[in-house]
Amino acid sequence: GENVEQHPSTLSVQEGDSAVIKCTYSDSASNYFPWYKQELGKRPQLIIDIRSNVGEKKDQRIAVTLNKTAKHFSLHITETQPEDSAVYFCADAGAGSYQLTFGKGTKLSVIP
Amino acid sequence: GAGVSQSPSNKVTEKGKDVELRCDPISGHTALYWYRQSLGQGLEFLIYFQGNSAPDKSGLPSDRFSAERTGGSVSTLTIQRTQQEDSAVYLCASSYTGETQYFGPGTRLLVL
Repeated sequence: GENVEQHPSTLSVQEGDSAVIKCTYSDSASNYFPWYKQELGKRPQLIIDIRSNVGEKKDQRIAVTLNKTAKHFSLHITETQPEDSAVYFCADAGAGSYQLTFGKGTKLSVIP
Repeated sequence: GAGVSQSPSNKVTEKGKDVELRCDPISGHTALYWYRQSLGQGLEFLIYFQGNSAPDKSGLPSDRFSAERTGGSVSTLTIQRTQQEDSAVYLCASSYTGETQYFGPGTRLLVL
């Protein structure tokens, strides 16, 4: 993709509440949207991804939604736990492109 | 199986010296990527390899940066005449499908 904007940059939630992180992209050809979680001092790890032929994907407490018309996608974490505290990065890739364009990250803090 | 590995894990060098960072991708992964992450920042794309060739070098910050990949496997990122602004974590990732990228633990470079 060309540009990916991610909001908010920081997010604090109470344990058990839901967290939502939103990203918008500019390249209408983008068709792959992964989310990575990076704990302090560790490598980014893929937690969920979605392709442009579906609008929503769930994996236990994590879900991603995609709105291609509006060119935005969101990460939803339900029943948050302290171990969800980390920096989350969204990214996109265009059709046939091997390059991921990352958002600037959201630091999520889950307060026990 | 083994994940992406990088060496060294930490490197402290003096300004003006050259450094070489190494990445061992997951076996069979044809694509390899280098990113730079400054403290508290997002992931900055540097270069991408498909096999041994680098179709996209657009992210290299200056001509002091170069990278190579031999045998379709190990890659080295070389920074010549290091500057203090080169201090960052250098992350390597590899992929098979060209989409899902798996990251290594990174090399933390400090230029004094």
